Amino acid sequence: DGGITQSPKYLFRKEGQNVTLSCEQNLNHDAMYWYRQDPGQGLRLIYYSQIVNDFQKGDIAEGYSVSREKKESFPLTVTSAQKNPTAFYLCASSIDIRSPLHFGNGTRLTVT
Amino acid sequence: AQSVTQLGSHVSVSEGALVLLRCNYSSSVPPYLFWYVQYPNQGLQLLLKYTSAATLVKGINGFEAEFKKSETSFHLTKPSAHMSDAAEYFCAVTDRDDKIIFGKGTRLHILP
Repeated sequence: DGGITQSPKYLFRKEGQNVTLSCEQNLNHDAMYWYRQDPGQGLRLIYYSQIVNDFQKGDIAEGYSVSREKKESFPLTVTSAQKNPTAFYLCASSIDIRSPLHFGNGTRLTVT
Repeated sequence: AQSVTQLGSHVSVSEGALVLLRCNYSSSVPPYLFWYVQYPNQGLQLLLKYTSAATLVKGINGFEAEFKKSETSFHLTKPSAHMSDAAEYFCAVTDRDDKIIFGKGTRLHILP
């Protein structure tokens, strides 16, 4: 079955450490996205990529970095510069930037 | 830039009653509009999408939404609520640069 895999489901880190969240898709989609979800705030766009080796900042990119070296993979690194990293992170993909999004099941990151 | 407003962060309806979740968007230019559903600790799933082909859009699980340009609204309805409909619902709209912007979400509670 085609889909998006995010791993791990739960992640715990100490403050000051960088952490990388994995996102892999086998849908052959060109566009991939990272969203952050906090209670009562909906989804906020961190980064998105429309094609391999290219990506753009979303609304809340500060303290995050991404890479898109392969079509299937779009890992997100939460750096120590992110002031409030504890959140639910969702990866998504779509055929193109106007098409509906397909989501992974998310990674819940807790930083203490 | 586009914005999306979902009226009511929590909505409660009795099982078998009408479900109405409200969504208003900001632009006068008809955008692409979507409704997504999220079950606890999961990603979002597409319920339905409006792409200007018809103003009444039918989705999965008995949901439908009506695009009303004069009211800049895209409210989600279901004639008869089921316990399995309890979830969080997000309205989304494409921005001018084709990014998808999400509302803050409405949590639907079904009363027995």
